[in-house]
Amino acid sequence: GQNIDQPTEMTATEGAIVQINCTYQTSGFNGLFWYQQHAGEAPTFLSYNVLDGLEEKGRFSSFLSRSKGYSYLLLKELQMKDSASYLCAVQEVTDKLIFGTGTRLQVFP
Amino acid sequence: EAQVTQNPRYLITVTGKKLTVTCSQNMNHEYMSWYRQDPGLGLRQIYYSMNVEVTDKGDVPEGYKVSRKEKRNFPLILESPSPNQTSLYFCASSTGQGLDEQYFGPGTRLTVT
Repeated sequence: GQNIDQPTEMTATEGAIVQINCTYQTSGFNGLFWYQQHAGEAPTFLSYNVLDGLEEKGRFSSFLSRSKGYSYLLLKELQMKDSASYLCAVQEVTDKLIFGTGTRLQVFP
Repeated sequence: EAQVTQNPRYLITVTGKKLTVTCSQNMNHEYMSWYRQDPGLGLRQIYYSMNVEVTDKGDVPEGYKVSRKEKRNFPLILESPSPNQTSLYFCASSTGQGLDEQYFGPGTRLTVT
C-alpha cells in the first residue's frame, strides 16, 4: 500500500535550523518531492530527490535514502516567512504524486 | 507568465446543483491533475490526464467527472454536489516527462450546503 508519514506540527525560532522528516512506503518510486504551502495558497515546488544523498538549494536542503524509505527537508537560517506547511510527496512511475498530510512549521521571533 | 488558472476561486452552492470548475494552463503541459485538500487528510488526487482525451481515476474519484478535449483545459465537473464535497480544490499540471515539478493553480474553495 501507499503510506507517507511526516510530523503534523513543528515549531522553531528565527535564525535556527529545522529538519522535517518524511518516511514512505509506496508501490512504485520515481522520486521524492518537497512542496511549501502557505495557508490558503497553492503548493509551490521546493526540491526533489531521485538518488540517495543530499541536494542543496540555498537555505533549503533535502536528503533521500531509498533503502530506508526516508527523506528530510532541512531549513537553515529560518525566517518568519518560512512559517508554512511542508508537503512530502512521492512520485510514482506514472507521474502520479502521492502526498503526505504535511508538516505545519511555525517560526517564532 | 507561465501559470495555471482556476475559476471560480470561491463558490457556495446547494446540494444537487451541477457545477463546473475550470482549469487552464499555458505551458503546453501534457499531464494535468485535480486534487482536493481537507484538514488532516492532505492532498488527494481526484482525476488525472496524461494527454488529450486520456483521463483516469485518482484516489477519490466518486462524485466527480473530468474531460480533456484540449491540451490546455481540464475542467472538473460535479454533477450532483453533496456536502462531503466541501473542500479546497487544486488543479495542477506538469510536462509528464518523468521527474518534473507540478505547477498548481491558486485553488477553488467550494462549500456545498
